[in-house]
Amino acid sequence: SQTIHQWPATLVQPVGSPLSLECTVEGTSNPNLYWYRQAAGRGLQLLFYSVGIGQISSEVPQNLSASRPQDRQFILSSKKLLLSDSGFYLCAWSNHMELGDEQYFGPGTRLTVT
Amino acid sequence: AQSVTQLGSHVSVSEGALVLLRCNYSSSVPPYLFWYVQYPNQGLQLLLKYTSAATLVKGINGFEAEFKKSETSFHLTKPSAHMSDAAEYFCAVIKGGGSNYKLTFGKGTLLTVNP
Repeated sequence: SQTIHQWPATLVQPVGSPLSLECTVEGTSNPNLYWYRQAAGRGLQLLFYSVGIGQISSEVPQNLSASRPQDRQFILSSKKLLLSDSGFYLCAWSNHMELGDEQYFGPGTRLTVT
Repeated sequence: AQSVTQLGSHVSVSEGALVLLRCNYSSSVPPYLFWYVQYPNQGLQLLLKYTSAATLVKGINGFEAEFKKSETSFHLTKPSAHMSDAAEYFCAVIKGGGSNYKLTFGKGTLLTVNP
């Protein structure tokens, strides 16, 4: 069966520090991968998605970047965190969205920027 | 363009009462629609999905949703609320084309269940 992991589970970082959040998927190959952010009271915002290694699409301009160095690994990064980067970050994977496949979500990372 | 609107950011019911969470969609083509649930500090879990088969879709935990094309709605219901149903619920639709299909989520409805 497929599983999705995210780490760390929680993170407190000072403004201006770098960030690296990792997401890995097991039990499937060539998944679509997604990074979302949830800020308080603002629902889910799609940040990045990837349909293959090295293929990253950005949904909104921001202080973050994403990379996919391996088929089942998706990394969210920042060189210098802002207070507004605080939130709950969710990674997700799917098979073929065009066929109505659902997305499967990881447990999330709670990031607090101080 | 495909989108969803959830009516009511917060719904409160008594334990044992009917749960009704509203979702309306906007789509120029037959949509794929989803309901997800999120418990505090956890990821999202799929409750059910509609993919153009039966219009009444049954999901986990006793939830179901009915696709009504004439009303462009996909409301989520449960006959009798349980304390464990307290969570945030998201309606979502697949949008996009080519290789760029993505889920677009509503803003969520927080369900509280009172004893």
